Amino acid sequence: EDQVTQSPEALRLQEGESSSLNCSYTVSGLRGLFWYRQDPGKGPEFLFTLYSAGEEKEKERLKATLTKKESFLHITAPKPEDSATYLCAVQRGSQGNLIFGKGTKLSVKP
Amino acid sequence: GAVVSQHPSWVICKSGTSVKIECRSLDFQATTMFWYRQFPKQSLMLMATSNEGSKATYEQGVEKDKFLINHASLTLSTLTVTSAHPEDSSFYICSARTPLAGYTGELFFGEGSRLTVL
Repeated sequence: EDQVTQSPEALRLQEGESSSLNCSYTVSGLRGLFWYRQDPGKGPEFLFTLYSAGEEKEKERLKATLTKKESFLHITAPKPEDSATYLCAVQRGSQGNLIFGKGTKLSVKP
Repeated sequence: GAVVSQHPSWVICKSGTSVKIECRSLDFQATTMFWYRQFPKQSLMLMATSNEGSKATYEQGVEKDKFLINHASLTLSTLTVTSAHPEDSSFYICSARTPLAGYTGELFFGEGSRLTVL
């Protein structure tokens, strides 16, 4: 069964304290792994897509990496505005629909 | 990135009434759109896949007669919650895939619609 597990469920950081979020997955025939940011009451905002093990992508303070079993979202020197829920999803099937993890709620205190 | 617009962003209705939610791709044509549902502190759950000009494909456990999906054009899909009940109260989010990259095209989401059924 295809499954996506994110850890931790919640993470509290001080401003400037770097850390990583984990996304473990089991899926038959991975077509892509996606990272999204979701603010309360809003739809997910696209961050990254990773397609193959070893791939890395960066955007500002965020860096996403992918292995055959998991992906990490590294946050370097976070700021309070980085506070949000970060969702990981894997793409399956020819239609391209996504299976989401439950997310990691990140809180960055000034 | 691509823009997906959803309307209304929130709606309150009485039990037994029907509610329609619109999802539009503003700057691209989307042959496929997806409808998700999200309960508080839970992940997004796929409800159905909407293909332009054909019937939607519903996920197991989703009542197709209750959640009517219409994808009449390449830029518009609608979700109608028929005879809504309090247990239908949720956050409904649509998404659309940009066509350029085929199956691995990136998926962009609307802002979501908060439905509260009294």
